[in-house]
Amino acid sequence: EPEVTQTPSHQVTQMGQEVILRCVPISNHLYFYWYRQILGQKVEFLVSFYNNEISEKSEIFDDQFSVERPDGSNFTLKIRSTKLEDSAMYFCASSVSGGLNTGELFFGEGSRLTVL
Amino acid sequence: SQQGEEDPQALSIQEGENATMNCSYKTSINNLQWYRQNSGRGLVHLILIRSNEREKHSGRLRVTLDTSKKSSSLLITASRAADTASYFCATSAGNTGKLIFGQGTTLQVKP
Repeated sequence: EPEVTQTPSHQVTQMGQEVILRCVPISNHLYFYWYRQILGQKVEFLVSFYNNEISEKSEIFDDQFSVERPDGSNFTLKIRSTKLEDSAMYFCASSVSGGLNTGELFFGEGSRLTVL
Repeated sequence: SQQGEEDPQALSIQEGENATMNCSYKTSINNLQWYRQNSGRGLVHLILIRSNEREKHSGRLRVTLDTSKKSSSLLITASRAADTASYFCATSAGNTGKLIFGQGTTLQVKP
């Protein structure tokens, strides 16, 4: 069964360092998302991406964050200068349909980011 | 905020019993979805109910939606130890496809 894959599964970094989290969405999906979950808390929306541009971003997704689809398969989340509060599990998701007809999102297993 | 509360926050039952989780939200929605998350894992989609639907079934899952009360419930019948997980409702609104998740209910099913 097709799945969303994420790398790395766990990354430890020093505060102020740049981090790139990578995702390979399901191949025929057109809508891509990043969510994060701080330990023990709810899943928070970061950004949605369609047709090579950001559709919507949350207040969390400030100038330190960026997303890119550098080729036909990868979808990346970059954090330019990490802060302690960026420590969380970051989930990539993709879907066939979006907008008003958003259906099931397929999530990856997550990338755990620990900022020291 | 689009999302309200889920209750209960935690639920512990015996295998074979039914588990009911509730979700409330604040704004108009396109659809409401339920996801499951095993500890430390990704979220897995369980069921989607559209705003014009009132009830939906999938195997041992039954979801209801009351748009007048802005609430939904997820019923898991004949629970199994393998159902132990966190369950989240998520609402889709607007035209960008984002989902807003609730706080989740942690379900423990004792064998």
